[in-house]
Amino acid sequence: GAGVSQSPSNKVTEKGKDVELRCDPISGHTALYWYRQSLGQGLEFLIYFQGNSAPDKSGLPSDRFSAERTGGSVSTLTIQRTQQEDSAVYLCASSPPGRNQETQYFGPGTRLLVL
Amino acid sequence: AQSVSQHNHHVILSEAASLELGCNYSYGGTVNLFWYVQYPGQHLQLLLKYFSGDPLVKGIKGFEAEFIKSKFSFNLRKPSVQWSDTAEYFCAVKYTGGFKTIFGAGTRLFVKA
Repeated sequence: GAGVSQSPSNKVTEKGKDVELRCDPISGHTALYWYRQSLGQGLEFLIYFQGNSAPDKSGLPSDRFSAERTGGSVSTLTIQRTQQEDSAVYLCASSPPGRNQETQYFGPGTRLLVL
Repeated sequence: AQSVSQHNHHVILSEAASLELGCNYSYGGTVNLFWYVQYPGQHLQLLLKYFSGDPLVKGIKGFEAEFIKSKFSFNLRKPSVQWSDTAEYFCAVKYTGGFKTIFGAGTRLFVKA
């Protein structure tokens, strides 16, 4: 079956521009997570969705970052007025309901470079 | 603050050597613990997890980890590594009652053939 997919795979943008990153979770997975991985760093939690609601947005680094999820499926992470320090790999993960809800299935990531 | 610390950023071993990667987490109550692995060119994937019960858990590919509550540790072990174990390994913790999973900075393992 299909895994978590993310698009685009790579994105190069200019400082100050807005970018949208997309995540398609595994069908039937109710939980969705966004992480950021900067060079040489671990995964930094950004936001968690359960269905369409986001009970934990505590990891969003600034108000330039926002995310939404529609139909309990696809999620988009938007970064407004990008800065060079936003350059990183943005990872999405999803989890099924039930007894395996703590296991996260990761996508390939979107590599963002802000010039 | 809740945090996860991995002791080694880079480890180089020869095939058949034994492996132990350290992981410590900060106190914050009951935890669920994970090791994830990212092989070159592949997605992050779950290696093993601990929720409760036997503190020695076994995962895929001969890996195991031991939860020592008194030391806030969850070290990853493998008795004899193979070249194909070359990857980056991430320890992660989820505190019960919270939503976020906190990851360590990762350990890059290189196994020489």
